[in-house]
Amino acid sequence: AQKITQTQPGMFVQEKEAVTLDCTYDTSDQSYGLFWYKQPSSGEMIFLIYQGSYDEQNATEGRYSLNFQKARKSANLVISASQLGDSAMYFCAMREPVGGKLIFGQGTELSVKP
Amino acid sequence: NAGVTQTPKFRILKIGQSMTLQCTQDMNHNYMYWYRQDPGMGLKLIYYSVGAGITDKGEVPNGYNVSRSTTEDFPLRLELAAPSQTSVYFCASNPSEVSNTGELFFGEGSRLTVL
Repeated sequence: AQKITQTQPGMFVQEKEAVTLDCTYDTSDQSYGLFWYKQPSSGEMIFLIYQGSYDEQNATEGRYSLNFQKARKSANLVISASQLGDSAMYFCAMREPVGGKLIFGQGTELSVKP
Repeated sequence: NAGVTQTPKFRILKIGQSMTLQCTQDMNHNYMYWYRQDPGMGLKLIYYSVGAGITDKGEVPNGYNVSRSTTEDFPLRLELAAPSQTSVYFCASNPSEVSNTGELFFGEGSRLTVL
């Protein structure tokens, strides 16, 4: 069965510094997709970044990048130049092969300090 | 564009009551999903649908029912509410399995409390 693990319940980072949020996954499929979502205190789910298992380069979207290490089955999110508005819960997710379903990790709560 | 719309946003139920959470999307997406999020936890899939007339169970389907009579609507029914169903419920949609990234488009969530 597929599984997503986020081992950091909470993280602190100083404003303007970079931070890495960890995510490991387990799957026997060759084709899969990995996602990161942000959930601010208001509760909505915001899509941040996507990495396909066959993508050779790490995905980047503005200040977000995904450090994809296929052999280690890890898909860490790197946020550069943290801002106060980055304080939120962050969820790693993986797409299952049937039905486009996503399975989610338990999340990491990021707090950015001024 | 409205995207994915959920109603109601908040609801308090008594044990044993029934209710339906409504979800509608205006993006003509084939795939739709219902997730629940318990406090401090990730999202868990309740039910999903890959098109009108087709539904299937997710990880935590017990106590819920769904139907998909149209592409736009995917209501979630709670028949006999229990305190364990206190949660935030998210509806989401996806164009199809072969879409570019497969990201899900989420509604704003419905907070349900069962007392």
